[in-house]
Amino acid sequence: GAGVSQSPSNKVTEKGKDVELRCDPISGHTALYWYRQSLGQGLEFLIYFQGNSAPDKSGLPSDRFSAERTGGSVSTLTIQRTQQEDSAVYLCASTGGLAVTDTQYFGPGTRLTVL
Amino acid sequence: GENVEQHPSTLSVQEGDSAVIKCTYSDSASNYFPWYKQELGKRPQLIIDIRSNVGEKKDQRIAVTLNKTAKHFSLHITETQPEDSAVYFCAASIDGNKLVFGAGTILRVKS
Repeated sequence: GAGVSQSPSNKVTEKGKDVELRCDPISGHTALYWYRQSLGQGLEFLIYFQGNSAPDKSGLPSDRFSAERTGGSVSTLTIQRTQQEDSAVYLCASTGGLAVTDTQYFGPGTRLTVL
Repeated sequence: GENVEQHPSTLSVQEGDSAVIKCTYSDSASNYFPWYKQELGKRPQLIIDIRSNVGEKKDQRIAVTLNKTAKHFSLHITETQPEDSAVYFCAASIDGNKLVFGAGTILRVKS
């Protein structure tokens, strides 16, 4: 079946603009994660949507970052007033269950460049 | 919070040789340790994982070992092949529902 998809694949924006990044998880997957991958760095946890429970936002770096998941499926990560340090690849992943041991299936990522 | 350190940051081996990547973690409550492989331009994919109730797990040419006392775990790849060239990430679970990832190791297998 179809895997996790993300759009756009690349986004170039000017400093100060807002951007929206989209993630379509695997159909039926309960949990959804957002990560940020900076050059030469690991995967930095941003936010976790766990079924119908309140999301875990503990990884969001500032209040310029927000995310929502509509209808338990598609998720949108919004970055307001982008800064150059926001430039990175943003990855989402989904899992079939809520256990940390459930395999995370990653999307291809969105490469964000803030000029 | 949990901190995961991964070494080395880059590793070059000759085809056929073994490769070992090591990670240490700080949270003694961590109980799940997956390894992900990310080929150039592609998405990370799970290759092997280990839970805290076992000390070693093998899957063909790859194996993972865990030392809970010392809080470190390692990935071992034997008989390396050019297609093993990729970035490898270790991770450790925290708070029962999240993963903290290491910074990654770039593995180059020279043929």
